Amino acid sequence: RKEVEQDPGPFNVPEGATVAFNCTYSNSASQSFFWYRQDCRKEPKLLMSVYSSGNEDGRFTAQLNRASQYISLLIRDSKLSDSATYLCVVNPQGGSGAGSYQLTFGKGTKLSVIP
Amino acid sequence: DGGITQSPKYLFRKEGQNVTLSCEQNLNHDAMYWYRQDPGQGLRLIYYSQIVNDFQKGDIAEGYSVSREKKESFPLTVTSAQKNPTAFYLCASSIDGSFYGYTFGSGTRLTVV
Repeated sequence: RKEVEQDPGPFNVPEGATVAFNCTYSNSASQSFFWYRQDCRKEPKLLMSVYSSGNEDGRFTAQLNRASQYISLLIRDSKLSDSATYLCVVNPQGGSGAGSYQLTFGKGTKLSVIP
Repeated sequence: DGGITQSPKYLFRKEGQNVTLSCEQNLNHDAMYWYRQDPGQGLRLIYYSQIVNDFQKGDIAEGYSVSREKKESFPLTVTSAQKNPTAFYLCASSIDGSFYGYTFGSGTRLTVV
């Protein structure tokens, strides 16, 4: 099983739609979780951090299910500007030590919001 | 404003040349990282440094070298030993390990000509 798995998409949705991405991770000791947004030919930018069960920021909601080892990202009322690749990122090991310095990245899910 | 600056934005390398990519941060972060991203691929870790004068190999360190002489700077050299250097290179930093995530620079796109 890959460490972090995402559906690569693409997800093509109309403006105003609600879209959800899922991501599964293999390391049950993982302590923190992130969704990054990456526009074409640009750097990833932090969208949301998840440290407990979930997080919400405006139209974006992230949920964590530790028992099933998956994280989801829900985008409501999609905008054209939401078109990007969304990276699921996991901190596989909390605390100190060399392993705590390496995030594990999924390959991303591509979203296209269509007018 | 604090942030990470990578330069140059675009870089062209001839076969057999070494090139150095610059990464500077003013966030006062202890840890810095170099990743490589190929089209349609995820990010792969090249090297990381937890503290000045110390660095560790990542998953794909062969053909690359780094130094960490100052807290603010973590340059990456792509040597002639790296057979497929064409890629998008991203530098990142973090305040304390990876628990709070990384901040990325804007990247350097390296092309072999």
